[in-house]
Amino acid sequence: EPEVTQTPSHQVTQMGQEVILRCVPISNHLYFYWYRQILGQKVEFLVSFYNNEISEKSEIFDDQFSVERPDGSNFTLKIRSTKLEDSAMYFCASSLRAVGSDSPLHFGNGTRLTVT
Amino acid sequence: KQEVTQIPAALSVPEGENLVLNCSFTDSAIYNLQWFRQDPGKGLTSLLLIQSSQREQTSGRLNASLDKSSGRSTLYIAASQPGDSATYLCAVPSYNTDKLIFGTGTRLQVFP
Repeated sequence: EPEVTQTPSHQVTQMGQEVILRCVPISNHLYFYWYRQILGQKVEFLVSFYNNEISEKSEIFDDQFSVERPDGSNFTLKIRSTKLEDSAMYFCASSLRAVGSDSPLHFGNGTRLTVT
Repeated sequence: KQEVTQIPAALSVPEGENLVLNCSFTDSAIYNLQWFRQDPGKGLTSLLLIQSSQREQTSGRLNASLDKSSGRSTLYIAASQPGDSATYLCAVPSYNTDKLIFGTGTRLQVFP
């Protein structure tokens, strides 16, 4: 069964450094997302991406964050200057149709980001 | 603003029991509701998606029901097994947006 893959599984970085989290969504999916989960808290939405542009972003997704789909398969999340509070599990997700449809959201296994 | 809550927060049961996990949401104007399973340190696995026009969905030993008017969904797990041990999350799309709102989850432990 096709799946969403994320790399790396764990990234440790120093405060102020840039990180890029990588995702390969399911190949025929059209909608792409990043969510994150701080330890012990709810899964929370960061950004959605459709038709090569951001369709929606949360308050968390400030100027330090950016997303790209540089080719037909990869989807990346970049954090320009990491802060301690960016430490979390970051999940990539994709779906065939929008979240309000009959199409479920498929998640990757996540990248655990630790900022020291 | 849509809020999603789940009870109980944790559940520990012996193998073989039938279980009920609850999810409630404050805004009944939802398109669908999705149940996920999350294993420790892992991603979310989609279990069931119920559209707003449906009352229930079944997959194997899992059955999810939806009552939009009362803002509730339940996930039934029949004949629980140790392999069912995980955190179960429900999520609904926020109205007229492209994001899912997640509940806090129910952490289930099934012991032999």
